Amino acid sequence: AQKVTQAQTEISVVEKEDVTLDCVYETRDTTYYLFWYKQPPSGELVFLIRRNSFDEQNEISGRYSWNFQKSTSSFNFTITASQVVDSAVYFCALSEAQSDMRFGAGTRLTVKP
Amino acid sequence: SAVISQKPSRDICQRGTSLTIQCQVDSQVTMMFWYRQQPGQSLTLIATANQGSEATYESGFVIDKFPISRPNLTFSTLTVSNMSPEDSSIYLCSVEYGTSYNEQFFGPGTRLTVL
Repeated sequence: AQKVTQAQTEISVVEKEDVTLDCVYETRDTTYYLFWYKQPPSGELVFLIRRNSFDEQNEISGRYSWNFQKSTSSFNFTITASQVVDSAVYFCALSEAQSDMRFGAGTRLTVKP
Repeated sequence: SAVISQKPSRDICQRGTSLTIQCQVDSQVTMMFWYRQQPGQSLTLIATANQGSEATYESGFVIDKFPISRPNLTFSTLTVSNMSPEDSSIYLCSVEYGTSYNEQFFGPGTRLTVL
């Protein structure tokens, strides 16, 4: 069965600090997909990234970067030079082929000015 | 990306009543999903709704409590029946859409409070 663990329940940083959100997953499939979503206080889920199991290249998008390591079953998310607007709950999720998406418990990030 | 709308955006309901939530997508999609997010919690899948077949429910969710309709490729409804305060949650519709497999997008959610 697929499982996603986000061990950090809450993180608080000061603006301009870098912060890394951890995500560890479990799956028996060789084909799977990993996701990160942002849920700001308004409640909507904002898609950030999708990565398939055959693509271990790290991704950078502006201040966001993702580190996918199959050897440790991790898909960590780093925000560089954090801003107050980054304050949200961030969810990591896993989907196996032909299957639904399973979410981690989420990490609440607070960025203080 | 697919644009998803949900109605109502929020509602306050009395115990014992039922509420039907609508999900509309601007594109035809095969797979639609309904999730529940209880206060302060993560998302839990309720069921998968494919057009032309019965919805598939996850463990802990039953059709009598959460009947789902999927009349066409752009629309679905979820009914929360015989509500109790424990049903107070955000209910989210999600679709799988895109040229790449497993692009999944979420609606804005329906915030339900049961008194």
